[in-house]
Amino acid sequence: GAGVSQTPSNKVTEKGKYVELRCDPISGHTALYWYRQSLGQGPEFLIYFQGTGAADDSGLPNDRFFAVRPEGSVSTLKIQRTERGDSAVYLCASSLNAQGSGELFFGEGSRLTVL
Amino acid sequence: QKEVEQDPGPLSVPEGAIVSLNCTYSNSAFQYFMWYRQYSRKGPELLMYTYSSGNKEDGRFTAQVDKSSKYISLFIRDSQPSDSATYLCAMSHNAGKSTFGDGTTLTVKP
Repeated sequence: GAGVSQTPSNKVTEKGKYVELRCDPISGHTALYWYRQSLGQGPEFLIYFQGTGAADDSGLPNDRFFAVRPEGSVSTLKIQRTERGDSAVYLCASSLNAQGSGELFFGEGSRLTVL
Repeated sequence: QKEVEQDPGPLSVPEGAIVSLNCTYSNSAFQYFMWYRQYSRKGPELLMYTYSSGNKEDGRFTAQVDKSSKYISLFIRDSQPSDSATYLCAMSHNAGKSTFGDGTTLTVKP
């Protein structure tokens, strides 16, 4: 596609449930990033992939969060046993590669609400 | 204290004004400096990207980086109502993650 595509755009779930958020990056972009943005704050880094492997997962808040990119393209962010504090916009971005620049191309985000 | 500090505003200016947006940072390893624009309920969009110190101009936008002071700026000339958005500064030191400021909300009034 022309840009980074994220689904679903909105997700409402109950505390304790499992959630999957999907990201389809720009074709040919080898680096893929997940960020989380809370209201009134800037994006907070979670994890990035170079190809299929997670090159840096230092931003994942705890072991309830996990992300995969099995074929080096589409990525899924998985959140287990959701908590109200997980409510935020989850942003995915891609770049041509992860070397050097910070030229990220963002999707429109998946807005997660945990009741 | 956050690695990147940004005045949240809000900032309100009349159409045609020059706007100055600023960030300070504490990590001297940062080498890449970006400005993103974010409209409500949209993802951030890259506006300007600068490597190391210096100035970069693109149309009505000028980005300045002063690594000695750990201070970066974005200037918008002849501001337009369509410039009304949240502006995020971001920085990185090598491959991988960028660290973002919390954004400055700008309103340009016709």
